[in-house]
Amino acid sequence: DTEVTQTPKHLVMGMTNKKSLKCEQHMGHRAMYWYKQKAKKPPELMFVYSYEKLSINESVPSRFSPECPNSSLLNLHLHALQPEDSALYLCASSLGQGNVQPQHFGDGTRLSIL
Amino acid sequence: DAKTTQPTSMDCAEGRAANLPCNHSTISGNEYVYWYRQIHSQGPQYIIHGLKNNETNEMASLIITEDRKSSTLILPHATLRDTAVYYCIVRPPTTSGTYKYIFGTGTRLKVLA
Repeated sequence: DTEVTQTPKHLVMGMTNKKSLKCEQHMGHRAMYWYKQKAKKPPELMFVYSYEKLSINESVPSRFSPECPNSSLLNLHLHALQPEDSALYLCASSLGQGNVQPQHFGDGTRLSIL
Repeated sequence: DAKTTQPTSMDCAEGRAANLPCNHSTISGNEYVYWYRQIHSQGPQYIIHGLKNNETNEMASLIITEDRKSSTLILPHATLRDTAVYYCIVRPPTTSGTYKYIFGTGTRLKVLA
């Protein structure tokens, strides 16, 4: 069981659809992260939020739009995705961005683009 | 660019110690080393982290060389449930003064019955 909850677990969408991925934690963590993981590859960082403000965007295409409405919740809004965006999307959280305490990961949303 | 180098795969007999090496020769003085594992279809699971001293917890031990250019994760009594991809990660600062994980390619550990 993980303390970072991601929904949905699986998502299939067409290239013209708009959908959102949701991530929630109640550990009082103030840093939250989105990663993308392709099959048999390591996770790659996409975005970092620190105290509800976007602090890192790893040059991610604008069809991915993150949002952090409060300290417990992180969303990733998806629009006009491409087939190559099919991947496992992982959310993580940590105590604070500069803190040495580790990140805690959810089990991800497996996204398929038709 | 990945800052860590790990063997692609390793096998270990059940009940024996699994020793997973990691090379991080470009590590700087304030960078921690973190170890995670990822079992199929799950998110990465935190195992242990350290700066320069050896560390031990209920899951594993972390041995860091004196020059900090490499480390070894030790699972003392491997079980079949330890079969996973193990990632060694360094956490460099960014230009904004924040930190981020850079995952290496990982070691696929297979524990054999």
